[in-house]
Amino acid sequence: GNSVTQMEGPVTLSEEAFLTINCTYTATGYPSLFWYVQYPGEGLQLLLKATKADDKGSNKGFEATYRKETTSFHLEKGSVQVSDSAVYFCALRPNDYKLSFGAGTTVTVRA
Amino acid sequence: GAGVSQSPRYKVAKRGQDVALRCDPISGHVSLFWYQQALGQGPEFLTYFQNEAQLDKSGLPSDRFFAERPEGSVSTLKIQRTQQEDSAVYLCASSLGQGQRGGYTFGSGTRLTVV
Repeated sequence: GNSVTQMEGPVTLSEEAFLTINCTYTATGYPSLFWYVQYPGEGLQLLLKATKADDKGSNKGFEATYRKETTSFHLEKGSVQVSDSAVYFCALRPNDYKLSFGAGTTVTVRA
Repeated sequence: GAGVSQSPRYKVAKRGQDVALRCDPISGHVSLFWYQQALGQGPEFLTYFQNEAQLDKSGLPSDRFFAERPEGSVSTLKIQRTQQEDSAVYLCASSLGQGQRGGYTFGSGTRLTVV
């Protein structure tokens, strides 16, 4: 079946530090891959996506590259801000409409 | 409205009580999804509507869960005889496209606590 495994949190960083959240997946076929972010009290928001191997998704300084050979989609940001504090979810969608999510990683950025 | 609206934001139910959770999708969005998010976990798929048709209800955990979208817009998720294990955040999402096409917009969710 389809599944997503992401780095356990919580992760605490100082402002301007480098952030990496690891995500690996198991899926049949060639799924689309996503990172969603959930700020406190808000709904899930799409952060970035990649639909095929070697695609790089990017948004708000975050990047993730679809690596088929390692079945990974790690999220990175070079210099985090306090406003990046949130829960981050890696997700995949195979050739249908269902999203399969990882368990989420809580990131706290301290000033 | 501009986004997906869910109500109530919070619901406390006594065990055995029936509850109804409402989702107002973005106007014109064809697809509507319900997900269940347990504490500390990622969302899990419950059910999918395309307009008024419920095309997939494979994620509903038991026959106590029932969802409807009678006019192809507003949807209601009903849980009968609530149990403590039903405590979770229930998320609704909608999409302009059918099925896999289009991006999903999520609502802020309804946090259900069964006591």
